[in-house]
Parts: sequence; C-alpha cells; structure tokens
Amino acid sequence: AQTVTQSQPEMSVQEAETVTLSCTYDTSESDYYLFWYKQPPSRQMILVIRQEAYKQQNATENRFSVNFQKAAKSFSLKISDSQLGDAAMYFCAYRSGDTGNQFYFGTGTSLTVIP
Amino acid sequence: DTGVSQDPRHKITKRGQNVTFRCDPISEHNRLYWYRQTLGQGPEFLTYFQNEAQLEKSRLLSDRFSAERPKGSFSTLEIQRTEQGDSAMYLCASSPNWGGSHEQYFGPGTRLTVT
Repeated sequence: AQTVTQSQPEMSVQEAETVTLSCTYDTSESDYYLFWYKQPPSRQMILVIRQEAYKQQNATENRFSVNFQKAAKSFSLKISDSQLGDAAMYFCAYRSGDTGNQFYFGTGTSLTVIP
Repeated sequence: DTGVSQDPRHKITKRGQNVTFRCDPISEHNRLYWYRQTLGQGPEFLTYFQNEAQLEKSRLLSDRFSAERPKGSFSTLEIQRTEQGDSAMYLCASSPNWGGSHEQYFGPGTRLTVT
C-alpha cells in the first residue's frame, strides 16, 4: 500500500505571513493524484488543492500553491498571506490513477495562525 | 443538495451494542466511501461502493462491520457488538464517476464513543 508521511504534527504562522506544510509519499506508480485537504475543528474536510502527477506545472488556487517534486516524491503546500480562517488540520492524500478508489492520508499537520 | 450528510453526528453506546450510521452522498455521485479516523490520525479507508455494488473492502473492516447501499443512493454502516477500539470518527465521502473529477467530497462525520 502507498504511504503518505507528514513530518510536521504542528505548525504555526503569523497572520499575513507564509507557511509551508510538508508531505512525502511512497509509490511505485507513475499515474496518481495528490491532494491537500483542510479539516477545521469540528467541521468537515474540504479540498484545498489537487495535483495530477502527469502535470509538471505546480497547482495553484488563490493563496494556496504546491511544490510538486515527482522524483523526490514530495508534495508541499504553501499558504501565502495566512488568515485566521486557515487554522485547521491539513491532510495530504494520495490516490492511485489506475486502481485508485481509496485515498491514502497522512497523519495531518495542525496549523495555528497567530494574530 | 449542498453536500454529503451523515446521521447521527454523535453516538455514544455501551460496549456490546450494535450501532448503525447513515450517509447521504451528493446527488448524482455514484461512488461512495467510508473511512475511519482516530485521534491524531488521518482517515483510513474502510470500503467503497459504486452504485449499489460494494467493490472494495479494507482489512480494517472486520466481520463485525457491514455496509450497504441498497439502491445506490444512501449508505449505512453497521457495527455489531461494539468494542472500545471502535471509538472513532466515521467519515463518508462521495465522488462522481465522470468528468475526470478525482477528489472526494466528505461529510461531517459521525463520532462514535463506546463506553
């Protein structure tokens, strides 16, 4: 099974600053998808950003962008101009492109935004 | 339809009792997933339905667990003879089977506490 590793259990950032959350994964597949999900306290998970492995260009969604390094199997999330509403648990997830129905999630990074 | 809904949101039960959770996916989403999330961990895949067919089951899904999706719409997850180790958040997600969309849309979860 694929494994997803998030090595930062907790991170903090000053409001309006930039923070980067790390994620690495292990796979032998060439076709897959990567996701960052946000889980605010007591609220449901929502998709932040996704990346198709076949695309070399890093995905960007407003203040959120990724640094996808396929050879290094690294998929970090950068949050620019951090806002109080960004405080949440962030999960990195992997989905196979061939056999993928399930997601493999990392253990999450708890992000605190300091006013 | 504004999203995936789950009922109940919280369930407290005594060890040995049976519990059943319900998930209503987003309309037109024919794929439905169940995950379990324990404290400090990312969600772990339990099972997957395409329409009414249960196509994948994790080894985590012991014989005390059963899931159904009788008409390809809502789904139920039943746990028989609950154990304290079953205490977790049970998440449901859905996704469409078209348009190249690969993300999953999550519900708010059902938090189970077994005493």
